[in-house]
Amino acid sequence: GAGVSQSPSNKVTEKGKDVELRCDPISGHTALYWYRQRLGQGLEFLIYFQGNSAPDKSGLPSDRFSAERTGESVSTLTIQRTQQEDSAVYLCASSEGSHNYGYTFGSGTRLTVV
Amino acid sequence: AQSVTQPDIHITVSEGASLELRCNYSYGATPYLFWYVQSPGQGLQLLLKYFSGDTLVQGIKGFEAEFKRSQSSFNLRKPSVHWSDAAEYFCAVETSYDKVIFGPGTSLSVIP
Repeated sequence: GAGVSQSPSNKVTEKGKDVELRCDPISGHTALYWYRQRLGQGLEFLIYFQGNSAPDKSGLPSDRFSAERTGESVSTLTIQRTQQEDSAVYLCASSEGSHNYGYTFGSGTRLTVV
Repeated sequence: AQSVTQPDIHITVSEGASLELRCNYSYGATPYLFWYVQSPGQGLQLLLKYFSGDTLVQGIKGFEAEFKRSQSSFNLRKPSVHWSDAAEYFCAVETSYDKVIFGPGTSLSVIP
């Protein structure tokens, strides 16, 4: 596609429920990144994919968070047993590959845990 | 550990005035540096990037940034600010595994 697509754009969920956030990167972009942005704060790195492998998972905050990617396409970020502190905008970005040419970001998924 | 600091949380400038947003980084090797802008209700957009060569880089929307190795800085500048420049600005540095670390951001307000 023309840009990075994320769905849903907004998600309200009850505490304790599981959620899945989806990211469709730009076609041909081998690298895919997930970031979290809490209200009024900067971007917090979560995980990075090169192809369908994840060389760096260091940013995942807890074992409730997981992510997978199918080939060089769609990625899913799953949050199990959501907590109120998980409320944030989850941003996905893709890039052409190594030696970053600059990310293209999606519009994000705004997650609210009530 | 690699890090990016943006000393100014919020800056207010008058339309037409010049602008400089500060960024300092901590990274052992030669860094790859970026500035992104996040306009209200919109996603992040790449303004400019520095990989090597000329330390003064030009970006979109009339922005430029200067890499100063001795000061570990990569400050963003614009000679004349427009009201549409009001946004959040993030400095970023690429570290290992092509992972980019972002600074906390500087919020820019523009007074008409």
